[in-house]
Amino acid sequence: GAGVSQSPSNKVTEKGKDVELRCDPISGHTALYWYRQSLGQGLEFLIYFQGNSAPDKSGLPSDRFSAERTGGSVSTLTIQRTQQEDSAVYLCASSPGLAGASYEQYFGPGTRLTVT
Amino acid sequence: KNQVEQSPQSLIILEGKNCTLQCNYTVSPFSNLRWYKQDTGRGPVSLTIMTFSENTKSNGRYTATLDADTKQSSLHITASQLSDSASYICVVSAYGYKLSFGAGTTVTVRA
Repeated sequence: GAGVSQSPSNKVTEKGKDVELRCDPISGHTALYWYRQSLGQGLEFLIYFQGNSAPDKSGLPSDRFSAERTGGSVSTLTIQRTQQEDSAVYLCASSPGLAGASYEQYFGPGTRLTVT
Repeated sequence: KNQVEQSPQSLIILEGKNCTLQCNYTVSPFSNLRWYKQDTGRGPVSLTIMTFSENTKSNGRYTATLDADTKQSSLHITASQLSDSASYICVVSAYGYKLSFGAGTTVTVRA
C-alpha cells in the first residue's frame, strides 16, 4: 500500500506568516510523529499522537507550534508567525498499534520549509 | 549535548569497497538501537533494529553490531554500491516511542 505522504514537499514563506504542513500516515497506523531536521543536526522530536490525542507535546519548540490530528488519520502541523530559525525539513512518521519499544516508524519524505 | 554521537561525519569510498560507521550513545535506560538509511530528499528507512540482547544483525550487505556494555554500535557496509550513497543515522530508544537521533554519517560511493 501507499507509504506516509506529506505536503507540500517544499514551502517558502516570509517571516511572520503562518504555515500548515500536512501528513497522511499509512492507513491503519494509530501512532503518528512529527520531527524536525535542521541542517547538520539529528532529527528532533516535536510531538506524538496516539489516535487523535497527543500524549506528548514536549518537543514543540514554542507556543507558535501546534498540531492536530483528525479521524485518527491526517495530521496538520501549524507554525504561526514563522521565524527564520524555523527553516528546516519537517518529517512525519507513523507506526502500527501503540507506540512500543520495537514498533517500526515509517517516515514520509518531509516538507522543506524555508523562511525568508 | 546530543546523546547519540556518530563518526565519521562523512566518508568517501570506492565502489566495491567496505566501510564501517560508528555510533556511541549515552541514552539510558536502553531499549533498542536502530540504523536508518536516508537518501537525499527522502525520509529515513529502517535497516536494522537491535535490542539489548542482540549483538549483531544483518540486512543484506548491511551488518550492525551492538555492545550494550560500552554503549557502542557499528554499521558495516560490504561490497559498496553506488546506491549506498546516503546518510546513515543511528537512533537509540530509551523507552517506547521516544527516539534519540544521531546527526548521521554521509557516505558517498564513487565508481
